[in-house]
Amino acid sequence: DQQVKQNSPSLSVQEGRISILNCDYTNSMFDYFLWYKKYPAEGPTFLISISSIKDKNEDGRFTVFLNKSAKHLSLHIVPSQPGDSAVYFCAASADTGGFKTIFGAGTRLFVKA
Amino acid sequence: KAGVTQTPRYLIKTRGQQVTLSCSPISGHRSVSWYQQTPGQGLQFLFEYFSETQRNKGNFPGRFSGRQFSNSRSEMNVSTLELGDSALYLCASRGHANTEAFFGQGTRLTVV
Repeated sequence: DQQVKQNSPSLSVQEGRISILNCDYTNSMFDYFLWYKKYPAEGPTFLISISSIKDKNEDGRFTVFLNKSAKHLSLHIVPSQPGDSAVYFCAASADTGGFKTIFGAGTRLFVKA
Repeated sequence: KAGVTQTPRYLIKTRGQQVTLSCSPISGHRSVSWYQQTPGQGLQFLFEYFSETQRNKGNFPGRFSGRQFSNSRSEMNVSTLELGDSALYLCASRGHANTEAFFGQGTRLTVV
């Protein structure tokens, strides 16, 4: 049962344009959502998060949007840079007496110079 | 502040053997989670420990086990290794609820 889904395995974008990565979830108990970035042979690094009480959170070039009714979130990167090329994981967590964070399968972003 | 440290970084084992992986969390973090990453499968949740107690468990067979010590360091053990256990095993520590988890660099396990 894949509770967090990233349906696009890869995305290719031109440098300077917007990258939009999408994520859907099924469990309405999730109340905190995160995006991580991962380079090969390294552990994921935290990028940005959003609480379920918000619908938008912005940090520099990165903005996360949350649509609770659709159980959908997206990460926007503007402008995209070649250094953004990596695998992006969407994650969701619910504090049900423990910190169980569920990750999606990841989307590989290629930013072309 | 030191990050999450996982040892060893690389490991090659034979089918049927067992293996123990180690994780030292960020100082002060009491929650440690373990994940398995295989190509195309994302990060699959194995289990989470907090103050030496397992609080959450993913859908993995009983061959996968773990423990946490009083200093919050954690170990993961896989017995009777199978070829399909070849993966990157990641450990993450967290300080508080609804905050980000910090990951180690992982242990790359290859079963031959």
